[in-house]
Amino acid sequence: AQTVTQSQPEMSVQEAETVTLSCTYDTSESDYYLFWYKQPPSRQMILVIRQEAYKQQNATENRFSVNFQKAAKSFSLKISDSQLGDAAMYFCADYWGGAQKLVFGQGTRLTINP
Amino acid sequence: DTGVSQDPRHKITKRGQNVTFRCDPISEHNRLYWYRQTLGQGPEFLTYFQNEAQLEKSRLLSDRFSAERPKGSFSTLEIQRTEQGDSAMYLCASSWITDTQYFGPGTRLTVL
Repeated sequence: AQTVTQSQPEMSVQEAETVTLSCTYDTSESDYYLFWYKQPPSRQMILVIRQEAYKQQNATENRFSVNFQKAAKSFSLKISDSQLGDAAMYFCADYWGGAQKLVFGQGTRLTINP
Repeated sequence: DTGVSQDPRHKITKRGQNVTFRCDPISEHNRLYWYRQTLGQGPEFLTYFQNEAQLEKSRLLSDRFSAERPKGSFSTLEIQRTEQGDSAMYLCASSWITDTQYFGPGTRLTVL
C-alpha cells in the first residue's frame, strides 16, 4: 500500500527564521506528483507547493521551497523567513495515476514563536 | 471567489439519523473527491467522480455511505444510520483530470 510518512509530529521556529519539515514516501511508480498542503486552525486545506516527479528542479513558491530527493524518496519543505501566519498543520501527500487519489502523511504541527 | 464550497459547515446529529452533505466544485473541474479526516490525522480517501461517474470507492466507504454527482456538477455524500465513529471532518476536493486537487472548507460532523 502507498504510504507517506512525516516523522515530526510537531515543530516550532522563531519568527523570521527558517524551518524544514520532513516527508518520505514509498511510491514506486515513475510518474507521480508530490504536494505540501497547509491546514490552519480554520481547517481549510490550502495548497502550498507541488512537485512533478519527472522534474529534477526543486519547486519554489516565494518563501516555500522543497528538497526533492527522488532516489531517497524524500520530499522536505523549507519555509524561509517564517511568519506568524505560517502556523498550521502541514501535510505531505503523493498522487499517482494508478491510485487516482492523494495519500497523506500524518501531518506536522508547526508553531511560530514571536 | 469561485473555489470549492461545502454545505453545511457543521452538522450535529443523533446516532441513527441520516445526514447529507453537499459539495460544489470549481466549475471547470471534472473530477470531484471526498475525503474523511479524523482529529489529529491526515485526510483519507473515500471516493471520487469523473464527471458523473463514480470511478472508485474506498473500503472505508461502508454500505451506509452513498455518494452521487448528478450531471457531473455538485456532489452529495449521504450517511445513513449514523454512528459515533462517523464523527469526522468530511472534505471535498476538485481537480481537472489528474491535476492539483483544491479543497473546500469541509463539513464537520458530530454524532451524539
